[in-house]
Amino acid sequence: GQNIDQPTEMTATEGAIVQINCTYQTSGFNGLFWYQQHAGEAPTFLSYNVLDGLEEKGRFSSFLSRSKGYSYLLLKELQMKDSASYLCAVMDSNYQLIWGAGTKLIIKP
Amino acid sequence: NAGVTQTPKFRVLKTGQSMTLLCAQDMNHEYMYWYRQDPGMGLRLIHYSVGEGTTAKGEVPDGYNVSRLKKQNFLLGLESAAPSQTSVYFCASSFRGTGANVLTFGAGSRLTVL
Repeated sequence: GQNIDQPTEMTATEGAIVQINCTYQTSGFNGLFWYQQHAGEAPTFLSYNVLDGLEEKGRFSSFLSRSKGYSYLLLKELQMKDSASYLCAVMDSNYQLIWGAGTKLIIKP
Repeated sequence: NAGVTQTPKFRVLKTGQSMTLLCAQDMNHEYMYWYRQDPGMGLRLIHYSVGEGTTAKGEVPDGYNVSRLKKQNFLLGLESAAPSQTSVYFCASSFRGTGANVLTFGAGSRLTVL
């Protein structure tokens, strides 16, 4: 079966750096997405990786290793507004998105 | 620019009742999706549409029906609601179905079935 694994919850301190990992086992691979979802709100797009390596976008970076079935989302200079759930999703060989359960990130002052 | 609009935002139903969730997008997107989100689980695709007049089953289609009569609207129907359908439902749309297929989500509809 297809599977996306992410930690359920993580805690970090304001101003620090946090890395949220995502491992996947899917039928084929056509890209990996990260979305941010604040409590009670809609998911919003953060990043897309289809080739190995690091994609940087401001305070957020996303890394992909296709051979290891692994990605991480790196958040720098954490702010209180970064408290949210972070969803990892992989597009499989049929171009269907397979979603992880999400990682709830708690930022403490 | 409204993006994706879902109605209603909240609804309480009794077992066996029927209802329709409405989704409208103003971005001229071809693809539209209905997901459900339950605690501890990833988003699960119920039904989707690749264009006006088309619909297809997703991962968890049982108990739901959909229609896409107009390109901008995608309706999700529950014919006979069951407690297992208590969930938060998200509609989403995208310009394309492959590659960097970025989804734009609606705000969600919280449904409780008693």
